[in-house]
Amino acid sequence: KQEVTQIPAALSVPEGENLVLNCSFTDSAIYNLQWFRQDPGKGLTSLLLIQSSQREQTSGRLNASLDKSSGRSTLYIAASQPGDSATYLCAVREDAGGTSYGKLTFGQGTILTVHP
Amino acid sequence: NAGVTQTPKFRVLKTGQSMTLLCAQDMNHEYMYWYRQDPGMGLRLIHYSVGEGTTAKGEVPDGYNVSRLKKQNFLLGLESAAPSQTSVYFCASIRQGSASPLHFGNGTRLTVT
Repeated sequence: KQEVTQIPAALSVPEGENLVLNCSFTDSAIYNLQWFRQDPGKGLTSLLLIQSSQREQTSGRLNASLDKSSGRSTLYIAASQPGDSATYLCAVREDAGGTSYGKLTFGQGTILTVHP
Repeated sequence: NAGVTQTPKFRVLKTGQSMTLLCAQDMNHEYMYWYRQDPGMGLRLIHYSVGEGTTAKGEVPDGYNVSRLKKQNFLLGLESAAPSQTSVYFCASIRQGSASPLHFGNGTRLTVT
């Protein structure tokens, strides 16, 4: 059974700091990995999706890396801003024979607070 | 495009009452999912559908039923609500393909007293 763990559970940083959020998974037979952002009272918004054959994806100040063999992914946020405050979740989709039918397993999330 | 729309946004039920949560997506996505999110438990899959007319059980299906009569709609039913079903329910959809991200609705907050 796939298990996804996110460390730390909560993080508080001053504005402008670069930070790293960690996601680890137990089964390396994955189809893709996705990072989400969730604001209070809202649904999840997709930030980055890394296919199993990729090593990293970038979008603006966000960079996500994937190391399948070690079962790890990191989300790097550069020059953090108060507007980045949210819960960040990673989700791993299992490889179900090369299709996208595989089960999606979520981590518990990291609560990020960026203070001015 | 509206994306994924969930109705209602909030609901309070008494134990034993029934209700249906509606999820609608306008992106022509093949797959649709219902999750519940609880503190300390994360997101758990209730039921999912890989196409019109097909549904399957997820991780926590007991006490729920679903239907997907039209490709754009995925309904989640509670036949006899229990306090343990107090939760935030999220619908999500995805287009088939490895590079497709999952799209979520804004959730339905359900309280069962």
